[in-house]
Amino acid sequence: QVQLQESGPGLVKPSETLSLTCTVSGGSIINYYWSWIRQPPGKGLEWIGYIYYSGTTNYNPSLKSRVTISVDTSKNQVSLKLPSVTAADTAVYYCARHEPGGNFHYWGQGTLVTVSS
Amino acid sequence: DIVMTQSPDSLAVSLGERATINCKSSQSVLYSSNNKNYLSWFQQKPGQPPKLLISWSSTRESGVPDRFSGSGSATDFTLTISSLQAEDVAVYYCHQYYTNPRTFGQGTKLEIK
Repeated sequence: QVQLQESGPGLVKPSETLSLTCTVSGGSIINYYWSWIRQPPGKGLEWIGYIYYSGTTNYNPSLKSRVTISVDTSKNQVSLKLPSVTAADTAVYYCARHEPGGNFHYWGQGTLVTVSS
Repeated sequence: DIVMTQSPDSLAVSLGERATINCKSSQSVLYSSNNKNYLSWFQQKPGQPPKLLISWSSTRESGVPDRFSGSGSATDFTLTISSLQAEDVAVYYCHQYYTNPRTFGQGTKLEIK
Protein backbone atom coordinates (compact mmCIF):
# COMPACT_ATOMS: atom_id res chain seq x y z
CA GLN A 1 0.00 0.00 0.00
CA VAL A 2 1.40 3.35 -1.04
CA GLN A 3 2.00 5.76 1.82
CA LEU A 4 2.89 9.43 1.65
CA GLN A 5 4.39 11.34 4.55
CA GLU A 6 4.92 15.09 4.64
CA SER A 7 7.67 16.51 6.82
CA GLY A 8 9.20 19.86 7.57
CA PRO A 9 9.15 22.76 10.03
CA GLY A 10 5.79 23.47 11.64
CA LEU A 11 6.66 27.11 12.21
CA VAL A 12 8.13 29.50 9.67
CA LYS A 13 8.82 33.19 10.17
CA PRO A 14 7.30 35.76 7.81
CA SER A 15 9.45 36.47 4.73
CA GLU A 16 11.32 33.17 5.16
CA THR A 17 11.08 30.06 2.98
CA LEU A 18 8.66 27.22 3.64
CA SER A 19 10.31 23.90 2.78
CA LEU A 20 8.50 20.58 2.92
CA THR A 21 9.30 17.04 1.83
CA CYS A 22 6.94 14.25 0.88
CA THR A 23 8.41 10.78 1.31
CA VAL A 24 6.77 7.97 -0.62
CA SER A 25 6.87 4.41 0.68
CA GLY A 26 5.30 1.18 -0.52
CA GLY A 27 5.60 2.20 -4.13
CA SER A 28 7.71 4.07 -6.64
CA ILE A 29 7.61 7.68 -7.66
CA ILE A 30 8.06 6.55 -11.26
CA ASN A 31 5.17 7.03 -13.70
CA TYR A 32 3.08 9.18 -11.41
CA TYR A 33 2.31 12.82 -10.83
CA TRP A 34 2.83 14.28 -7.37
CA SER A 35 0.86 17.29 -6.26
CA TRP A 36 0.99 19.64 -3.33
CA ILE A 37 -2.34 20.86 -2.02
CA ARG A 38 -2.92 23.15 0.92
CA GLN A 39 -5.80 23.94 3.24
CA PRO A 40 -5.85 26.99 5.51
CA PRO A 41 -7.37 26.25 8.92
CA GLY A 42 -11.14 25.92 8.60
CA LYS A 43 -11.07 26.62 4.87
CA GLY A 44 -11.12 24.79 1.56
CA LEU A 45 -8.53 23.09 -0.62
CA GLU A 46 -6.09 24.85 -2.95
CA TRP A 47 -3.99 22.98 -5.49
CA ILE A 48 -0.44 24.35 -5.47
CA GLY A 49 1.10 22.41 -8.33
CA TYR A 50 2.47 19.08 -9.46
CA ILE A 51 5.62 17.42 -10.64
CA TYR A 52 5.92 14.37 -12.85
CA TYR A 53 8.64 11.89 -11.91
CA SER A 54 10.59 13.05 -14.97
CA GLY A 55 10.73 16.57 -13.54
CA THR A 56 7.99 18.26 -15.55
CA THR A 57 6.12 20.74 -13.40
CA ASN A 58 2.87 22.69 -13.51
CA TYR A 59 2.02 25.34 -10.96
CA ASN A 60 -1.11 27.18 -9.96
CA PRO A 61 -0.80 30.67 -11.48
CA SER A 62 -1.89 32.12 -8.14
CA LEU A 63 1.42 30.92 -6.67
CA LYS A 64 3.51 30.30 -9.76
CA SER A 65 6.04 33.05 -9.17
CA ARG A 66 6.84 31.71 -5.71
CA VAL A 67 6.61 27.93 -5.87
CA THR A 68 9.23 25.35 -6.68
CA ILE A 69 8.45 21.63 -6.65
CA SER A 70 11.26 19.15 -7.17
CA VAL A 71 11.67 15.39 -7.18
CA ASP A 72 14.41 13.04 -6.05
CA THR A 73 13.68 9.63 -7.51
CA SER A 74 16.63 8.04 -5.71
CA LYS A 75 15.10 8.95 -2.36
CA ASN A 76 11.45 8.58 -3.45
CA GLN A 77 10.83 12.13 -2.33
CA VAL A 78 9.06 15.21 -3.62
CA SER A 79 9.82 18.64 -2.21
CA LEU A 80 8.04 21.97 -2.00
CA LYS A 81 9.64 25.36 -1.54
CA LEU A 82 7.64 28.52 -1.02
CA PRO A 83 9.71 31.65 -0.35
CA SER A 84 8.65 34.96 1.16
CA VAL A 85 5.84 33.49 3.21
CA THR A 86 3.17 35.53 4.96
CA ALA A 87 0.41 34.63 7.40
CA ALA A 88 -1.77 33.81 4.38
CA ASP A 89 0.45 30.78 3.74
CA THR A 90 -0.51 29.22 7.07
CA ALA A 91 -2.16 25.95 6.16
CA VAL A 92 -2.10 22.19 6.30
CA TYR A 93 0.03 21.09 3.37
CA TYR A 94 -0.74 17.76 1.71
CA CYS A 95 1.06 15.80 -0.93
CA ALA A 96 -1.02 13.56 -3.18
CA ARG A 97 -0.44 11.11 -6.02
CA HIS A 98 -2.30 10.97 -9.30
CA GLU A 99 -2.08 9.32 -12.67
CA PRO A 100 -1.84 11.33 -15.90
CA GLY A 101 -5.22 12.97 -16.26
CA GLY A 102 -6.38 11.14 -13.19
CA ASN A 103 -7.47 11.73 -9.67
CA PHE A 104 -5.89 12.15 -6.24
CA HIS A 105 -6.15 8.59 -4.99
CA TYR A 106 -3.43 8.73 -2.37
CA TRP A 107 -2.82 11.53 0.12
CA GLY A 108 -0.42 12.12 2.95
CA GLN A 109 -1.79 12.92 6.39
CA GLY A 110 -0.80 16.53 5.95
CA THR A 111 1.44 18.81 7.95
CA LEU A 112 0.43 22.11 9.51
CA VAL A 113 2.72 25.00 8.75
CA THR A 114 2.17 28.17 10.72
CA VAL A 115 3.72 31.42 9.57
CA SER A 116 4.37 33.59 12.56
CA SER A 117 7.18 35.56 14.14
CA ASP B 1 -9.55 28.98 -13.89
CA ILE B 2 -12.63 26.78 -13.62
CA VAL B 3 -14.65 27.93 -10.62
CA MET B 4 -16.49 25.19 -8.74
CA THR B 5 -19.51 26.30 -6.74
CA GLN B 6 -21.21 23.97 -4.32
CA SER B 7 -24.64 24.26 -2.77
CA PRO B 8 -25.61 24.36 -0.03
CA ASP B 9 -22.67 25.42 2.13
CA SER B 10 -24.08 23.33 4.96
CA LEU B 11 -26.73 20.70 5.27
CA ALA B 12 -28.44 18.93 8.18
CA VAL B 13 -30.16 15.65 7.43
CA SER B 14 -31.80 13.07 9.68
CA LEU B 15 -30.26 9.64 10.00
CA GLY B 16 -31.57 7.35 7.28
CA GLU B 17 -32.68 10.22 5.09
CA ARG B 18 -31.29 11.33 1.75
CA ALA B 19 -28.60 13.99 1.47
CA THR B 20 -27.98 15.84 -1.79
CA ILE B 21 -25.07 18.13 -2.56
CA ASN B 22 -24.79 20.08 -5.79
CA CYS B 23 -21.75 21.29 -7.65
CA LYS B 24 -21.64 23.62 -10.62
CA SER B 25 -18.57 24.33 -12.71
CA SER B 26 -18.01 27.62 -14.53
CA GLN B 27 -17.24 25.71 -17.72
CA SER B 28 -17.78 22.21 -18.95
CA VAL B 29 -15.54 19.48 -17.57
CA LEU B 30 -16.77 16.96 -20.13
CA TYR B 31 -13.97 15.86 -22.44
CA SER B 32 -15.63 15.18 -25.77
CA SER B 33 -12.99 12.80 -27.13
CA ASN B 34 -13.67 10.19 -24.45
CA ASN B 35 -17.07 11.40 -23.17
CA LYS B 36 -15.77 11.51 -19.61
CA ASN B 37 -16.56 14.12 -17.00
CA TYR B 38 -13.41 15.09 -15.13
CA LEU B 39 -15.27 15.62 -11.87
CA SER B 40 -14.75 13.91 -8.55
CA TRP B 41 -16.07 14.04 -5.00
CA PHE B 42 -14.07 13.93 -1.80
CA GLN B 43 -15.08 13.40 1.80
CA GLN B 44 -13.05 15.01 4.56
CA LYS B 45 -13.44 14.29 8.25
CA PRO B 46 -11.80 16.44 10.93
CA GLY B 47 -8.06 15.96 11.20
CA GLN B 48 -7.94 13.71 8.14
CA PRO B 49 -6.93 14.19 4.52
CA PRO B 50 -9.67 14.17 1.90
CA LYS B 51 -10.82 10.74 0.80
CA LEU B 52 -11.72 10.12 -2.83
CA LEU B 53 -15.29 8.85 -3.08
CA ILE B 54 -16.25 9.22 -6.74
CA SER B 55 -14.32 9.78 -9.95
CA TRP B 56 -15.52 10.54 -13.47
CA SER B 57 -18.68 12.08 -12.00
CA SER B 58 -20.29 8.75 -11.14
CA THR B 59 -17.70 5.98 -10.60
CA ARG B 60 -17.51 4.93 -6.98
CA GLU B 61 -14.05 4.13 -5.69
CA SER B 62 -13.31 0.70 -4.32
CA GLY B 63 -14.63 0.27 -0.79
CA VAL B 64 -17.00 3.25 -0.91
CA PRO B 65 -20.48 2.25 0.31
CA ASP B 66 -23.12 2.09 -2.39
CA ARG B 67 -25.26 4.62 -0.57
CA PHE B 68 -22.92 7.20 -2.16
CA SER B 69 -23.68 8.02 -5.78
CA GLY B 70 -22.67 10.72 -8.20
CA SER B 71 -24.45 12.06 -11.24
CA GLY B 72 -24.40 14.89 -13.70
CA SER B 73 -22.54 16.01 -16.76
CA ALA B 74 -20.77 18.99 -18.29
CA THR B 75 -21.35 21.72 -15.69
CA ASP B 76 -23.88 20.37 -13.19
CA PHE B 77 -23.20 17.56 -10.78
CA THR B 78 -24.75 15.98 -7.73
CA LEU B 79 -23.52 13.81 -4.88
CA THR B 80 -26.26 11.82 -3.21
CA ILE B 81 -26.13 9.85 0.01
CA SER B 82 -29.21 7.68 -0.12
CA SER B 83 -29.51 6.89 3.57
CA LEU B 84 -27.41 9.02 5.88
CA GLN B 85 -25.31 7.23 8.46
CA ALA B 86 -23.62 8.80 11.46
CA GLU B 87 -20.18 8.16 9.97
CA ASP B 88 -21.07 10.29 6.93
CA VAL B 89 -20.76 13.51 8.92
CA ALA B 90 -17.99 15.34 7.09
CA VAL B 91 -17.21 18.12 4.65
CA TYR B 92 -17.68 17.17 1.01
CA TYR B 93 -15.77 18.74 -1.87
CA CYS B 94 -16.24 18.51 -5.59
CA HIS B 95 -13.11 18.76 -7.71
CA GLN B 96 -12.39 19.24 -11.39
CA TYR B 97 -9.35 17.64 -12.97
CA TYR B 98 -10.27 18.63 -16.53
CA THR B 99 -7.64 21.31 -16.69
CA ASN B 100 -4.93 23.06 -14.71
CA PRO B 101 -5.12 24.69 -12.30
CA ARG B 102 -7.12 21.94 -10.66
CA THR B 103 -9.82 23.48 -8.52
CA PHE B 104 -12.16 22.47 -5.74
CA GLY B 105 -15.56 23.60 -4.59
CA GLN B 106 -15.72 25.54 -1.35
CA GLY B 107 -17.05 22.51 0.52
CA THR B 108 -20.39 21.45 1.98
CA LYS B 109 -20.59 20.61 5.65
CA LEU B 110 -22.95 17.72 6.29
CA GLU B 111 -24.38 17.24 9.76
CA ILE B 112 -27.01 15.15 11.48
CA LYS B 113 -30.35 16.81 12.16
